[in-house]
Amino acid sequence: AQSVSQHNHHVILSEAASLELGCNYSYGGTVNLFWYVQYPGQHLQLLLKYFSGDPLVKGIKGFEAEFIKSKFSFNLRKPSVQWSDTAEYFCAVTPSGAGSYQLTFGKGTKLSVIP
Amino acid sequence: NAGVTQTPKFQVLKTGQSMTLQCAQDMNHNSMYWYRQDPGMGLRLIYYSASEGTTDKGEVPNGYNVSRLNKREFSLRLESAAPSQTSVYFCASSEWGASGELFFGEGSRLTVL
Repeated sequence: AQSVSQHNHHVILSEAASLELGCNYSYGGTVNLFWYVQYPGQHLQLLLKYFSGDPLVKGIKGFEAEFIKSKFSFNLRKPSVQWSDTAEYFCAVTPSGAGSYQLTFGKGTKLSVIP
Repeated sequence: NAGVTQTPKFQVLKTGQSMTLQCAQDMNHNSMYWYRQDPGMGLRLIYYSASEGTTDKGEVPNGYNVSRLNKREFSLRLESAAPSQTSVYFCASSEWGASGELFFGEGSRLTVL
């Protein structure tokens, strides 16, 4: 079974700072990778996804993530954060071709952006 | 477009009481899921329904039952609530084969005293 590790529990940044949230997964085969975001008081929504192809994927609101297969990593980045990016971010992984019931979430990283 | 709708949004129960969380989706998705979210634990799958007429256990099914009423609706029942079931519950839906692309409801916050 796969597992996901998110390195940071809580990250605090000032507006305009750059963001990188770490995510590593453990699985022996090919995977699909996701970042979901949960804004305060709201439901989770998909931020970006990687299935195959270009390992640098772009998502909504200026976020991007890079899949590094050799490092089993899928780190989330944003060059300049805004106060509105304050949210909890979840990395998730599922074996390629598997049903969504096999989706495994990390424990989440809470991002607080200070104006 | 409502997406995934859950009711109720908040509920307080006493230990031993029962309740049902309702979920409905209007995206014509085949698959539906119930997760619980606890601080520092991420999301854990309770039960899922790959398609109408089928249900299967997820990672943490103990103390819960589910019913896939039709293609739109998927309910979660706590027969005898325990304090350990205090959590935020999320319903989600997807196309079967969507491989991880889930659409979530807004959550139901349950407190068991």
